[in-house]
Amino acid sequence: SQQGEEDPQALSIQEGENATMNCSYKTSINNLQWYRQNSGRGLVHLILIRSNEREKHSGRLRVTLDTSKKSSSLLITASRAADTASYFCAYGGATNKLIFGTGTLLAVQP
Amino acid sequence: EPEVTQTPSHQVTQMGQEVILRCVPISNHLYFYWYRQILGQKVEFLVSFYNNEISEKSEIFDDQFSVERPDGSNFTLKIRSTKLEDSAMYFCASSEFWGAGAQPQHFGDGTRLSIL
Repeated sequence: SQQGEEDPQALSIQEGENATMNCSYKTSINNLQWYRQNSGRGLVHLILIRSNEREKHSGRLRVTLDTSKKSSSLLITASRAADTASYFCAYGGATNKLIFGTGTLLAVQP
Repeated sequence: EPEVTQTPSHQVTQMGQEVILRCVPISNHLYFYWYRQILGQKVEFLVSFYNNEISEKSEIFDDQFSVERPDGSNFTLKIRSTKLEDSAMYFCASSEFWGAGAQPQHFGDGTRLSIL
């Protein structure tokens, strides 16, 4: 299977804490993206990191990519209750389909 | 900000019936996609579409499935004879440029399809 794996499957933290989610994948990639999904809603694109980049920031988000280990991490700093959602990594190679990871369910307690 | 819109939000259909799920992609986007998510499971790619042709399809996208862009704005997914295992959330997405890995895809809120 080309599917990515994410860990942890679920994460519960207090508001203000940092949340780290990890993604591992199995194929060669051009880029890796992270998406958020609120309960019952669609997927919202958060950040994209290209295969020649090692780290990228966007607001409170920090993404790292290690192509030698085929892994990526998403760090959300100073979490808020509104960050409660499922987070998915997704990657594409030569084609235009996205392959999604299994997701991390983040719960931020107020 | 432009959005991908999907209708209906929830569709209940008897097994064996045909169902059409509708999507309006973002207006200047050229590449369109359907994904599905069975409850509690991963998001799975079904098909991509460009220039009125299927670009790629997964093994899930068998002869029971078809896609169409009937006019300049709508993008539809048809399931000819639904099965119980077709019950899932179906997401439409669009992107401005080629290459899923190079460009973000913009997703609609999905249609929840329930087969009875």
